[in-house]
Parts: sequence; C-alpha cells; structure tokens
Amino acid sequence: KQEVTQIPAALSVPEGENLVLNCSFTDSAIYNLQWFRQDPGKGLTSLLLIQSSQREQTSGRLNASLDKSSGRSTLYIAASQPGDSATYLCAVTSAAGNKLTFGGGTRVLVKP
Amino acid sequence: GAVVSQHPSRVICKSGTSVKIECRSLDFQATTMFWYRQFPKQSLMLMATSNEGSKATYEQGVEKDKFLINHASLTLSTLTVTSAHPEDSSFYICSTPGGPLSLNTEAFFGQGTRLTVV
Repeated sequence: KQEVTQIPAALSVPEGENLVLNCSFTDSAIYNLQWFRQDPGKGLTSLLLIQSSQREQTSGRLNASLDKSSGRSTLYIAASQPGDSATYLCAVTSAAGNKLTFGGGTRVLVKP
Repeated sequence: GAVVSQHPSRVICKSGTSVKIECRSLDFQATTMFWYRQFPKQSLMLMATSNEGSKATYEQGVEKDKFLINHASLTLSTLTVTSAHPEDSSFYICSTPGGPLSLNTEAFFGQGTRLTVV
C-alpha cells in the first residue's frame, strides 16, 4: 500500500527566504507526482506535475525534483512571499490501482 | 487545463437529511471521477472511484449505502450523503484525471464542498 509522508508538517519563514518542502513515498512504482497548493477552506490548485521519467519540473519561482528510486520529491519555492502562505500537498499516482495518494501536507506561513 | 465545477461550495443541513454534491466536467468527458473527504488539518482521503455507466468502487471503511455515488453521464458525477450526521461534517472534493491515467495526465479538482451537519 502506497504511503506518502510530508515533512515538515508546518513551516514558518520570513519573507524572502527560500522554502524547501519534502515529500517521500514508499512504493516507487508511480506514474507521476503532483504538487498542489490549498488555501484554507478552498480546493486544490495544481502547481507542478512530474512524470515518473522526469527528474524535475520548474514553473516560475517553483522547482520540484523527483528521485523515484529513493521515493523522494522536494518542492523549492524561491524568494518566498506572504502570498505563498498556504498548505502544500504532494500526491503520487500509483501504477497499481491508478489511485492518487496524498501526503499530509505542509502548512506554510510566510511572515512579512 | 480541464475545468471541474463542483457545487454547492458550502452546505449546512440538519441531522438525518440527505445532501447531494455535484461535480461537472465542463470541457471534456470525465470517464472516471474520484471522491475525497478531508477533515480539518488533515490530508485528502480517497472515498470512492466512480466510472461512467458502472458501479462505484469504494475504499475500505467507506459505507456505500451512506455515500451514494452516481456517474450517469460523462460530464456529471454526484455524491449523496444520506441520513447525514454531525460526524459527516467534512470537506468533500472531487477529482478527475485529464486523460487516461496510464498516460501520465495530471489530476484536476473541483472547488470542494464544505458540509456542516447540525
């Protein structure tokens, strides 16, 4: 059974600092890994999708890496802004069962 | 990207009543819809998978008679919480892959429904 873990569970940084969010998964047989952002009481916004054959994806200040063999992904957010405050979720689509399994999320607070 | 419209966004209902949540795919045919629930400060837990024209597949521990899922068309899937109780209060959200899962397409999510049972 796929299990996804995110560390840390919460993170508070001053504005301008770079953010590093970690995600690990137990079964490396995945189709892809996605990073999402969720604001309080809202749905999910897809940030980055990394295919199983890829090692990283970049979008603006966001960069996500994937090391499938070790079951890890890292989301980097450069030069954080207060507007980056949200919960960040990673999820993997497993080859077995085609299901999306979520990590517990990291709650980020960027202080002005 | 694909758009999934979910409504209502918020609903308050009395204990014992039923609530229907709809998810519509606006610009593509959604053959598969996943339904999740999220308790406060927790992650999303998959409840069931629905496929157009067939019965839904429920995850272990999810009562199929309580959470009725209908996927009668390629653009509409519904989740009905029957005889709702306060412990059913949660955030419910639907999701559909943008294409065949084997082709590594990203998942698209509805806006979510905050259900409060009083």
